Amino acid sequence: EVQLVESGGGLVQPGGSLRLSCAASGFTVSSNYMSWVRQAPGKGLEWVSVIYSGGSTYYADSVKGRFTISRDNSKNTLYLQMNSLRAEDTAVYYCARDRYYYGSGSYYPSFDYWGQGTLVTVSS
Amino acid sequence: DIQMTQSPSSLSASVGDRVTITCRASQSISSYLNWYQQKPGKAPKLLIYAASSLQSGVPSRFSGSGSGTDFTLTISSLQPEDFATYYCQQSYSTLGVTFGQGTKLEIK
Repeated sequence: EVQLVESGGGLVQPGGSLRLSCAASGFTVSSNYMSWVRQAPGKGLEWVSVIYSGGSTYYADSVKGRFTISRDNSKNTLYLQMNSLRAEDTAVYYCARDRYYYGSGSYYPSFDYWGQGTLVTVSS
Repeated sequence: DIQMTQSPSSLSASVGDRVTITCRASQSISSYLNWYQQKPGKAPKLLIYAASSLQSGVPSRFSGSGSGTDFTLTISSLQPEDFATYYCQQSYSTLGVTFGQGTKLEIK
């Protein structure tokens, strides 16, 4: 059974740092594209970052230069290192698996499995 | 970024009703459109991918249609467990996937 379990959230002051973890089971993180998606309180969903199976990483403009996505293949775990945190980074952070469905000659990405989320609160 | 606009933002309906939610993209995204259901305090759940393909395990009362810029999610006969918030998501721009603002489906 596929499962994603996030941890590491909490209260942090503006300018501080936090590292989120996402432990996976039932599949291999390094063989998949993996993303972080966040949701501010009472708001919609915002994609944050992706790491490809080959190791390439990409970020939303809102976090570029401050956040770093990585993985530990031996632990089958995804990470999000968050530095220089701002109040607007306050959100529930979800890790999600990117699944690529092949049909009609194209690959169609979607997020097929999600963790339960971990809350990050940036406040003084 | 590709902007996704859902309508309505909220909707009241009764058990057994047929409900349609619309999603419009700011540019053509072919069939790169997914739908998710989210219940309070829970993670989103994939319902529909590639605009019209039903994710495994999702009841057949859910269906999706559309291509280009206009898409719909239809629930053919609302069940009590369907009251939730629904999000569309474009995956055409894989390095900048974006979601609609959500449609909250409430019990009338």
